[in-house]
Amino acid sequence: EPEVTQTPSHQVTQMGQEVILRCVPISNHLYFYWYRQILGQKVEFLVSFYNNEISEKSEIFDDQFSVERPDGSNFTLKIRSTKLEDSAMYFCASSEGGGVATEAFFGQGTRLTVV
Amino acid sequence: AQTVTQSQPEMSVQEAETVTLSCTYDTSESDYYLFWYKQPPSRQMILVIRQEAYKQQNATENRFSVNFQKAAKSFSLKISDSQLGDAAMYFCAYGGATNKLIFGTGTLLAVQP
Repeated sequence: EPEVTQTPSHQVTQMGQEVILRCVPISNHLYFYWYRQILGQKVEFLVSFYNNEISEKSEIFDDQFSVERPDGSNFTLKIRSTKLEDSAMYFCASSEGGGVATEAFFGQGTRLTVV
Repeated sequence: AQTVTQSQPEMSVQEAETVTLSCTYDTSESDYYLFWYKQPPSRQMILVIRQEAYKQQNATENRFSVNFQKAAKSFSLKISDSQLGDAAMYFCAYGGATNKLIFGTGTLLAVQP
């Protein structure tokens, strides 16, 4: 069964460093998302991406964040200069179509720890 | 703005019994979907069941069913014949005009043998 794959599963980084979280969406999916879950809190939407551009982003997704689909298979989230409060679980998701009528499939998440 | 509220931080159920998890939401949209996601200790988000607001019939998926009360903006999840593998965090989520999901704070379900 096709699945969304995220790497690495756990990343530890120093405050101020840049990190890139990687995701391989399901191959025929066209819509891609990043969500964040701070430990013990709810899952929050960060950004959605379609046709090589951001279609929606939340207030959390400030200038420190960027997304890219560099090669037609990977979908990356870059945090330019990490802060302690960026420590969280980051989930990538993809869907075949836009709109919530189409099921979004989630990856297993990347746990980011900023020290 | 849409909101999703789960008022039960933790619930417990005996194996083989039935448990109901509560969720309320607020929206001014007329067409939307509601979802229940399961997050086991592995942390992966797994879709359990979904309901389209226009459908009056409550969705069911094997042992999982929902009680959707549109006027009351209520969307509860019933798990019948609970199994040890049902132990997880359960998130209620709303999806409307945009393609993002809005999640509640979750309910941690423990299943006692």
